Amino acid sequence: GQSLEQPSEVTAVEGAIVQINCTYQTSGFYGLSWYQQHDGGAPTFLSYNALDGLEETGRFSSFLSRSDSYGYLLLQELQMKDSASYFCAPLSGNTGKLIFGQGTTLQVKP
Amino acid sequence: KAGVTQTPRYLIKTRGQQVTLSCSPISGHRSVSWYQQTPGQGLQFLFEYFSETQRNKGNFPGRFSGRQFSNSRSEMNVSTLELGDSALYLCASSLDKSADTQYFGPGTRLTVL
Repeated sequence: GQSLEQPSEVTAVEGAIVQINCTYQTSGFYGLSWYQQHDGGAPTFLSYNALDGLEETGRFSSFLSRSDSYGYLLLQELQMKDSASYFCAPLSGNTGKLIFGQGTTLQVKP
Repeated sequence: KAGVTQTPRYLIKTRGQQVTLSCSPISGHRSVSWYQQTPGQGLQFLFEYFSETQRNKGNFPGRFSGRQFSNSRSEMNVSTLELGDSALYLCASSLDKSADTQYFGPGTRLTVL
């Protein structure tokens, strides 16, 4: 079967660090993608982890543990513009498609 | 390169009508996926096309269909519209069959009255 869990909402203050966790159960798991979507906008690609470990891209980092079926997105030095929804999306090797959930709404407060 | 474009951006239809949405992928991208996004259900996969062939299909009724043309442009059609079909329909393109990196269009906001 397939399942995906991430928190529905997270609130943090400007300048802080926030971690958005994601646990998944995906048949034929290949890797984990993260997307950001601002209100009214299109999802934009942030990162993709195929291997265990941490990938860093500027203020954003993404981590994957395949053995734990777990990943997280770490956002540092939060800015107001980071207020958005964040989706983790495991890639199924069986179907060749990304599985999106309902996402996590991040609210950054001054 | 131009990004993914979708037309129309907004659409209002009434129940029972049918609608066709269009998506032009990034130049050189051969895979196009369609998603339905609603507040309660998040992003739900509709179908994916690669080289004019449907590779994957989500759990949607047969009223939802799609196709891809030789230039990789794709269309999706919804027949006999229902109120619950009101949603943002997103198209995403990727370079090849691998879906690890998808580039989304701005979406078509469909309202069914």
